[in-house]
Amino acid sequence: DQQVKQNSPSLSVQEGRISILNCDYTNSMFDYFLWYKKYPAEGPTFLISISSIKDKNEDGRFTVFLNKSAKHLSLHIVPSQPGDSAVYFCAASANSNFGNEKLTFGTGTRLTIIP
Amino acid sequence: SQTIHQWPATLVQPVGSPLSLECTVEGTSNPNLYWYRQAAGRGLQLLFYSVGIGQISSEVPQNLSASRPQDRQFILSSKKLLLSDSGFYLCAWSLGFYSYNEQFFGPGTRLTVL
Repeated sequence: DQQVKQNSPSLSVQEGRISILNCDYTNSMFDYFLWYKKYPAEGPTFLISISSIKDKNEDGRFTVFLNKSAKHLSLHIVPSQPGDSAVYFCAASANSNFGNEKLTFGTGTRLTIIP
Repeated sequence: SQTIHQWPATLVQPVGSPLSLECTVEGTSNPNLYWYRQAAGRGLQLLFYSVGIGQISSEVPQNLSASRPQDRQFILSSKKLLLSDSGFYLCAWSLGFYSYNEQFFGPGTRLTVL
């Protein structure tokens, strides 16, 4: 049962344009969402996060939007740069007795920025 | 600053052989520790997590086991590897007992079982 879904396995975007990566979730208990970026043969690195009390969080070129009613979040990268080419994972967590200690990851979207 | 180490970086093992992957974290105390596997063409699957020494939670039934003998050491083991154990294994840590915190990943181990 895939609770976090990234339905686009790959995406190609022209350099300088906007990249939009999408993520859907099914568990209504999720209250914290994160995006990770992963280069080949490396561990993922944290990019940006959003709490369920917000609908938007912005950090430089990266903005994450959360639509709780649709159980959907998206990552916008603008302008896209060649170094943004990587696999992007969406992740979600739910609060528990230990806090949000577990993350559920999506299957990832491979973003390719075309020079 | 905190750092996380994993070794070895790559490993090729025959079917039926044992496995031991080690992960250590520096610069923090009482972290939550995690083992993930990324199989070819798939996402990150949480295998085990630990909120303290000797406390291991298993997420999926499998051929692997985990141990946490020290606060900042997390070990992934198998007595007999299967072909299906091949994949990219990632260790991660996060601050414990916080409501919201991101996880920080190590460089990973590429395991190929032949």
